[in-house]
Amino acid sequence: EAQVTQNPRYLITVTGKKLTVTCSQNMNHEYMSWYRQDPGLGLRQIYYSMNVEVTDKGDVPEGYKVSRKEKRNFPLILESPSPNQTSLYFCASSREGEETQYFGPGTRLLVL
Amino acid sequence: GQNIDQPTEMTATEGAIVQINCTYQTSGFNGLFWYQQHAGEAPTFLSYNVLDGLEEKGRFSSFLSRSKGYSYLLLKELQMKDSASYLCAVRDHGAGGYNKLIFGAGTRLAVHP
Repeated sequence: EAQVTQNPRYLITVTGKKLTVTCSQNMNHEYMSWYRQDPGLGLRQIYYSMNVEVTDKGDVPEGYKVSRKEKRNFPLILESPSPNQTSLYFCASSREGEETQYFGPGTRLLVL
Repeated sequence: GQNIDQPTEMTATEGAIVQINCTYQTSGFNGLFWYQQHAGEAPTFLSYNVLDGLEEKGRFSSFLSRSKGYSYLLLKELQMKDSASYLCAVRDHGAGGYNKLIFGAGTRLAVHP
């Protein structure tokens, strides 16, 4: 089954404790993105990747890192999480030239 | 700059028709998308318009006017399961060949019996 998976789905952590949210897709898509979704603000792009070893900042990259060592994986790293990073995070992937982005199920993060 | 506006909330009655509007401003327009998102779930693709006009897909239709920076999503024969948020997103052709998706804040639709 074609899908985008994220882990963990839910996470409660404390300020400053490094964490990684994994994202994996099995559709051989070139493009992958991370978004955060906050009430009243919609989905905002954090980082994106056009292919292996090619990543760039989105609209709200501060406090986040990403890597794209393999085509299928695009982990999101929070080196020192802060409470303002409490949010719902979505990973998405798409094929170059195609219209549709496929979203993962989301990761709900609470930083205390 | 880039800006997408859509109403925050709408209500409608089961069996009726509802139109959700979206206006946008972007420098490198390269298509407009509508996504449906049920509470706590991932957005799912509904429709895509890149040329002016109406695209129909079952109970859902989407319209685009590029000159007016305007789109709407039309939902017919509303069902209770259509209660969800509807996200308007514009694809912006940016530098480096990457087509970026910019999302509106979403319209929360409540369908009542």
